[in-house]
Amino acid sequence: RKEVEQDPGPFNVPEGATVAFNCTYSNSASQSFFWYRQDCRKEPKLLMSVYSSGNEDGRFTAQLNRASQYISLLIRDSKLSDSATYLCVVTTSGTYKYIFGTGTRLKVLA
Amino acid sequence: EPEVTQTPSHQVTQMGQEVILRCVPISNHLYFYWYRQILGQKVEFLVSFYNNEISEKSEIFDDQFSVERPDGSNFTLKIRSTKLEDSAMYFCASSQPRDRSENAYGYTFGSGTRLTVV
Repeated sequence: RKEVEQDPGPFNVPEGATVAFNCTYSNSASQSFFWYRQDCRKEPKLLMSVYSSGNEDGRFTAQLNRASQYISLLIRDSKLSDSATYLCVVTTSGTYKYIFGTGTRLKVLA
Repeated sequence: EPEVTQTPSHQVTQMGQEVILRCVPISNHLYFYWYRQILGQKVEFLVSFYNNEISEKSEIFDDQFSVERPDGSNFTLKIRSTKLEDSAMYFCASSQPRDRSENAYGYTFGSGTRLTVV
């Protein structure tokens, strides 16, 4: 089983739609979780951290389910500018190393 | 907003040559990293660096790779004898130390150096 798994997509959605991505991780000792956004041939940029209680930042909501070892990202009211690849990132206790998923590609269509 | 700066943005080199990729991390960050991303693949960890020494490295980071912090601002990745399969985007990143709170840190990545080995 891969350490961090994501559906590669692409998810093609119309503007204004709500879209959700999931990510599963294999190591139960995983400690910190993030969603990053990556535009084509650019660096990953931190979108949001994922907290145990769930957290929201504007149109973006992240959830963590430790029992089932998955995290999710919900994007409401999709904009054309949301088109990108969304990377799930996991770290484990005692290390600063990021483990990346392969990313989920989102295309928001006009 | 503080940035991680990487130079050059694109490097083309012949197989077997040595390359040095340069990075200037954010000034008050203490942890530095190199990652790489082969075209179409996921971002992969190479090495982390703290307190002037390697704190962790991956299997990819073999003897042909080395890192250095030659002065108070630069952080470099050297590839001694490049291979075709070293062609990738190389990202430098830096972060604050972890504290006791959950998710207390996140990396800031540089814009990357695209290395092409021919």
